[in-house]
Amino acid sequence: DGGITQSPKYLFRKEGQNVTLSCEQNLNHDAMYWYRQDPGQGLRLIYYSQIVNDFQKGDIAEGYSVSREKKESFPLTVTSAQKNPTAFYLCASSIGTGGLYVRSYEQYFGPGTRLTVT
Amino acid sequence: GESVGLHLPTLSVQEGDNSIINCAYSNSASDYFIWYKQESGKGPQFIIDIRSNMDKRQGQRVTVLLNKTVKHLSLQIAATQPGDSAVYFCAERDRDDKIIFGKGTRLHILP
Repeated sequence: DGGITQSPKYLFRKEGQNVTLSCEQNLNHDAMYWYRQDPGQGLRLIYYSQIVNDFQKGDIAEGYSVSREKKESFPLTVTSAQKNPTAFYLCASSIGTGGLYVRSYEQYFGPGTRLTVT
Repeated sequence: GESVGLHLPTLSVQEGDNSIINCAYSNSASDYFIWYKQESGKGPQFIIDIRSNMDKRQGQRVTVLLNKTVKHLSLQIAATQPGDSAVYFCAERDRDDKIIFGKGTRLHILP
C-alpha cells in the first residue's frame, strides 16, 4: 500500500518543549511539504523540500525546523520559539514541484497530527 | 498581491441537488488550479485540477469551471450525497511554483 503516514495522530506537550512530528512516504515522491491548519482556516505552508538534503522556508517558518536526510522522510520540529504551536499539522508529498507533468503538482496528504501545547 | 479566497464559508445543499462552490483568485498569471476535499479530522484529498488553457474539466460527478476574465473558479458537484460533506479548498500555483490554498468552504448536506 503506497501512501503517506504521519504519527502520532494526537500529541500533547508542555510549553517550552520541542516536539518532532513524523512524516513518511513510500510513494517515491521527490517533493514533501509541511502545512499548518488552524480552525476555520486554510492551509499555510511551513517548509517544503524538493529534493533530499534541500529544503526551503514557506510562509510561516519561524519557530519550526525540518530535515530531509532521506527521500521518504521529512520530520518537522516545533520548537519552543513557536509562539502559538497548537494546531493541526499536515504533511504532503508530490512527484515534483513542476516539470513536464501537470499532475506533478498534485499533493498527497497524510492524515495529520493534532498538536496541543499547554 | 496573490490571494485565493472563497465567496462563502458555509454552503448548505439538499441531498440530491447540485452543489456549486465558488473561488476567486487575484493573480492573473496563475496557470494551474486544484480543488481539494477535506473530511473532518483528515488530510485534504485531490478532487480535480484545471490548467488555465481550459475553461472546463469534468470528473466523476464533479466539474470545474474556470473564468479567466473575472478570475473565478467553481466546483460543481452533481447529485450531492451525504458523503460529500466536507470542507472544499481551491488552490493555485503561484509564481514560485508553490501551491497556495484558499480558506475553504464547508459543505453541509441537508437530508
